[in-house]
Amino acid sequence: DAGVIQSPRHEVTEMGQEVTLRCKPISGHNSLFWYRQTMMRGLELLIYFNNNVPIDDSGMPEDRFSAKMPNASFSTLKIQPSEPRDSAVYFCASSPSGGSGRSYEQYFGPGTRLTVT
Amino acid sequence: TQLLEQSPQFLSIQEGENLTVYCNSSSVFSSLQWYRQEPGEGPVLLVTVVTGGEVKKLKRLTFQFGDARKDSSLHITAAQPGDTGLYLCAGGNDMRFGAGTRLTVKP
Repeated sequence: DAGVIQSPRHEVTEMGQEVTLRCKPISGHNSLFWYRQTMMRGLELLIYFNNNVPIDDSGMPEDRFSAKMPNASFSTLKIQPSEPRDSAVYFCASSPSGGSGRSYEQYFGPGTRLTVT
Repeated sequence: TQLLEQSPQFLSIQEGENLTVYCNSSSVFSSLQWYRQEPGEGPVLLVTVVTGGEVKKLKRLTFQFGDARKDSSLHITAAQPGDTGLYLCAGGNDMRFGAGTRLTVKP
């Protein structure tokens, strides 16, 4: 079975440019998560969706970041405009669990390494 | 926010040694997950513990959930170079991760 698919695997862009990261979750999973990982801050939850609806976006750094999930098989994370401090590895994860009070077993994609110069 | 503190932050040992890493919080968790992450890859789920006092074994790895469900430990017996990686714990309704323990097993 295919795991979580992310694209691109690597992205190098200049400051001020728009960046779009893509994720295809595991079929049948109803929760999707976007994380950012850096050496300094570790793995940070940015936003998560349950049944395509954003549940918690409190981790989104600022208005430059936005995420969408138009259907159960696709999500995007957009940064506009990008800044050098956005450089990190961005992970998408999906989970078969859901609902208030539940904990989630997450299946991660390979990540997108973003470099903003 | 339910904070998870992991210790030690770094651990470097020789092949064949035993080790224990910890995941602690002041909050009670309904369940807690352990993941291992290798360089250039995403974290991979190892185990979920749910019941206070629960012990789960995965080959040479033993996971324990504290009686009060506030802490967990991971014990590796006879570590091998293939165990090298970042070990992360995660839990809580807000899906937060600890900072991880970076383990290096030298041959």
